[in-house]
Amino acid sequence: QKEVEQNSGPLSVPEGAIASLNCTYSDRGSQSFFWYRQYSGKSPELIMFIYSNGDKEDGRFTAQLNKASQYVSLLIRDSQPSDSATYLCAVNLGSEKLVFGKGTKLTVNP
Amino acid sequence: NAGVTQTPKFQVLKTGQSMTLQCAQDMNHNSMYWYRQDPGMGLRLIYYSASEGTTDKGEVPNGYNVSRLNKREFSLRLESAAPSQTSVYFCASSRDREKGYTFGSGTRLTVV
Repeated sequence: QKEVEQNSGPLSVPEGAIASLNCTYSDRGSQSFFWYRQYSGKSPELIMFIYSNGDKEDGRFTAQLNKASQYVSLLIRDSQPSDSATYLCAVNLGSEKLVFGKGTKLTVNP
Repeated sequence: NAGVTQTPKFQVLKTGQSMTLQCAQDMNHNSMYWYRQDPGMGLRLIYYSASEGTTDKGEVPNGYNVSRLNKREFSLRLESAAPSQTSVYFCASSRDREKGYTFGSGTRLTVV
């Protein structure tokens, strides 16, 4: 069974802090990795994707990938209350399908 | 630009009733997907269609059928609804596997 694991949280950080969200995956053949944000009662929204080892930055968001350790993370700098949501890690296993983790709930406290 | 449109947004069914969830995308995407999302279970793939005319089972296909009517539309049918099918259903589409998915707004289904 190919799996994607995330800490369910909840993760609570103060406003302005760095939030660190982690994800591990079981299939070494995985090729592309995605982070989705889902507000309560809404649909998932793609915020980052990464294919190569290392870091990828987009504004306050940084995705980090380590294929040897089968680990992908999302850092949110200068966290804002509007970042409070559930963050879903998704992994492409070389086919058309994404496998999603169960998500980490993040709360940013003013 | 509507993206992915799902109908209906809410539905209550009685056990044994049937219904079809509709999904349409206007982004000229090849692949379309149906997921269900349950508390503590995350998003689970029901069926997907990699291209017009093809469909394949996902992780939890039992109790469901799908139709890829054309490139734009991908419907999900519950032939005989059961309380275990109470969930939020999301349709998604993608141009290619490198770009991730675009999700519809979801259908909240309750089976009583």
